[in-house]
Amino acid sequence: SYELTQPPSVSVSPGQTATITCSGGKLVDKYACWYQLKPGQSPVLVIYQDRRRPSGIPERFSGSNSGNTATLTISGTQATDEADYYCQAWDSSTMVFGGGTKVTVL
Amino acid sequence: QITLKESGPALVKPTQTLTLTCTFSGFSLSTSGVGVAWIRQPPGKALEWFALIYWTDDKRYSPSLKTRVTIAKDTSKNQVVLTMTNMDPVDTATYYCAHGLGYDFWSGLTDWGQGILVTVSS
Repeated sequence: SYELTQPPSVSVSPGQTATITCSGGKLVDKYACWYQLKPGQSPVLVIYQDRRRPSGIPERFSGSNSGNTATLTISGTQATDEADYYCQAWDSSTMVFGGGTKVTVL
Repeated sequence: QITLKESGPALVKPTQTLTLTCTFSGFSLSTSGVGVAWIRQPPGKALEWFALIYWTDDKRYSPSLKTRVTIAKDTSKNQVVLTMTNMDPVDTATYYCAHGLGYDFWSGLTDWGQGILVTVSS
């Protein structure tokens, strides 16, 4: 079965850039989405189709996809960005989520 | 405005069948290009997708759960119903329904319910 691999955790200082990777076989041939999940809340879509931002998502969130790796970048990270982030892609018409990355803003 | 809300039992016993209902507003599953997915998150673990249904009534299931899960839509009630058989304590999780557009949800899952915590215990 298809797997997406994320680092378990990423730490970033306020105002700095957080980079979260998501690796999977031939991921560049698929579209990647990214979801933000805070404790006690429902997931929020922050990136779809590799790099598109839904309305209402701040410009500091950006995405890319190349080779076997999709990347979520948070520029000028704020304390409110502390959350778990999940990548998601499709394989054989089924959805697959990555294992999640906990972003800590120190 | 699109809203979704999950409902069902908070506690089920091992071997029982779980039935969850996703009641939504702001869209119709009779409209072309619309779909609803179910995703769960066990405590302390990752999100896991396991079922979805499209406006065409086309259905998809996670390979790991396909023998235990059934998804159906009731367009007249704006509901999607999920049944999961032979529940086990490892199925304890928060269960979410979510809305997306198009086959393979090109839009991503744009709207999510609040989630419902289901505990499997005797």
